[in-house]
Amino acid sequence: SQTIHQWPATLVQPVGSPLSLECTVEGTSNPNLYWYRQAAGRGLQLLFYSVGIGQISSEVPQNLSASRPQDRQFILSSKKLLLSDSGFYLCAWSVRSYNSPLHFGNGTRLTVT
Amino acid sequence: RKEVEQDPGPFNVPEGATVAFNCTYSNSASQSFFWYRQDCRKEPKLLMSVYSSGNEDGRFTAQLNRASQYISLLIRDSKLSDSATYLCVPQGSARQLTFGSGTQLTVLP
Repeated sequence: SQTIHQWPATLVQPVGSPLSLECTVEGTSNPNLYWYRQAAGRGLQLLFYSVGIGQISSEVPQNLSASRPQDRQFILSSKKLLLSDSGFYLCAWSVRSYNSPLHFGNGTRLTVT
Repeated sequence: RKEVEQDPGPFNVPEGATVAFNCTYSNSASQSFFWYRQDCRKEPKLLMSVYSSGNEDGRFTAQLNRASQYISLLIRDSKLSDSATYLCVPQGSARQLTFGSGTQLTVLP
């Protein structure tokens, strides 16, 4: 069966510090991969998605970036965090099919202080 | 018009009640739809997929009205464990995975 791992679960970082969140998927090949952010009390905002190694599409311009160095690895990064980057970050995967649902990792709760 | 609109609630219902949520979507090209539940401070989890006019899974029934562009979720015999936020997700292309802001449900003892 397929599983998705995301870490760390919680993170407290000072403003201006770098960020690296990692997500890996097991049990499937060539998945679509996604990064979402959810601010407190708000809906999910799609940040990045990827349909293959090295292929990243950005939905929202900001100081975050994403990379996909391997087929089942997706990384979210920032060189300098802002207070507004605080939120609940969720990695998700889906099979590469038009009608497939998303499956989410457990999420990372980031607090920028 | 927003891509996905849901009544935010909260819906407070007693145990055993039947409750229904509606979701309207603007993209008439959406072919499949999903309902997720999200518990407080947790990730969304897939509850139900809808590819045709509807789907039923135990106490949960989803119905799709393409002409009016809305999808509903009906929960019968509500349990305390059903308390969560329910997210409506119409799916178009890979770029159009649009989550509604969710409807909050609290089932009261």
